[in-house]
Amino acid sequence: DGGITQSPKYLFRKEGQNVTLSCEQNLNHDAMYWYRQDPGQGLRLIYYSQIVNDFQKGDIAEGYSVSREKKESFPLTVTSAQKNPTAFYLCATGGYVVNEQFFGPGTRLTVL
Amino acid sequence: EDQVTQSPEALRLQEGESSSLNCSYTVSGLRGLFWYRQDPGKGPEFLFTLYSAGEEKEKERLKATLTKKESFLHITAPKPEDSATYLCAVQPPDAGNMLTFGGGTRLMVKP
Repeated sequence: DGGITQSPKYLFRKEGQNVTLSCEQNLNHDAMYWYRQDPGQGLRLIYYSQIVNDFQKGDIAEGYSVSREKKESFPLTVTSAQKNPTAFYLCATGGYVVNEQFFGPGTRLTVL
Repeated sequence: EDQVTQSPEALRLQEGESSSLNCSYTVSGLRGLFWYRQDPGKGPEFLFTLYSAGEEKEKERLKATLTKKESFLHITAPKPEDSATYLCAVQPPDAGNMLTFGGGTRLMVKP
């Protein structure tokens, strides 16, 4: 069953903690993306990776970090340096052949 | 700076009342324009890609059209299950496969 999985669905973080959001795909897409969505707003790009072991900052990368050690996986770490991390986080995939991006189900992060 | 503006921000319709959602953009040399549907608490679901002015795509009660400055998502005889937020995104010519998203239109269809 092909698709994109994100875990966990809900995540609670205490102030000062780092947390890692998982994104896995079996679509064989080269590119993977992380977006943040705040209530009533569009999607803003955090980081993206077009190939294994390479990634670039998006529009709002401060306070976040990523890795791309495998084609199937692109985890996002929300560090304590991110001052306002409460949001809905979306992972997407795409490729050189397809222009469209396809999204996972999302992770809702709440800071306690 | 590339901009994508969606209007209206919210739209309430009665079941069967047709209408259109607008997506205007300032990108020059557009590579593609994308429409997505997003249900509350879920990831966006891909609907359409449009590449050139005059192009149209249809799916059930939805039809997307594209001009040089804007795109419309026409909803014909909507049903309550069409209620969702509809997102528009553009792909600029020099940004690889990056997408720039609009703020979305929240559609509510009352029975």
